[in-house]
Amino acid sequence: GESVGLHLPTLSVQEGDNSIINCAYSNSASDYFIWYKQESGKGPQFIIDIRSNMDKRQGQRVTVLLNKTVKHLSLQIAATQPGDSAVYFCAEQYNFNKFYFGSGTKLNVKP
Amino acid sequence: ETGVTQSPTHLIKTRGQQVTLRCSSQSGHNTVSWYQQALGQGPQFIFQYYREEENGRGNFPPRFSGLQFPNYSSELNVNALELDDSALYLCASSLDLGNTIYFGEGSWLTVV
Repeated sequence: GESVGLHLPTLSVQEGDNSIINCAYSNSASDYFIWYKQESGKGPQFIIDIRSNMDKRQGQRVTVLLNKTVKHLSLQIAATQPGDSAVYFCAEQYNFNKFYFGSGTKLNVKP
Repeated sequence: ETGVTQSPTHLIKTRGQQVTLRCSSQSGHNTVSWYQQALGQGPQFIFQYYREEENGRGNFPPRFSGLQFPNYSSELNVNALELDDSALYLCASSLDLGNTIYFGEGSWLTVV
């Protein structure tokens, strides 16, 4: 279906802490997932992606985990910084076609 | 910077008018997708073009139409504008289907 949901609409963390943003997807046939960061007034910025043949992928300070059994995706940000404050979206794709986006989670980083 | 450029960045139109939004894809990218993002919501897929052919369409009425040109740039046209069409319109490009899509900064459309 077209519902990619997020458990928490707003997440507040202390600077330096780790952040975890969760996402539930509905289509078990989805095979490609992307996390985007969107700052106010800007377009979504690619953070990290993962395909369905993987469970985990790491980037610089970010890790994406995929649990296909429960159709769950998470984004972990290590040592969260004020510049990480933004809205984060997960997106799912199947059949090499459109991406379905959730409504986003707003991350507030407190100094 | 993703290399995806959109124009205009902001515009105001009157209900019933028509609008054309433009997008230049990242160099070498042959696939362009358009998304509508209402305030406080995630992007919603409008349609996708792959090598100048429409390759998938979302739940949008026919008054939303598009084109992709031989250089892979693209246009989104919206006829008979309605107040609910007020949104951020995002263009994204990718190299072929099924790959990462990179967004431009969007065109903010306000319909009054």
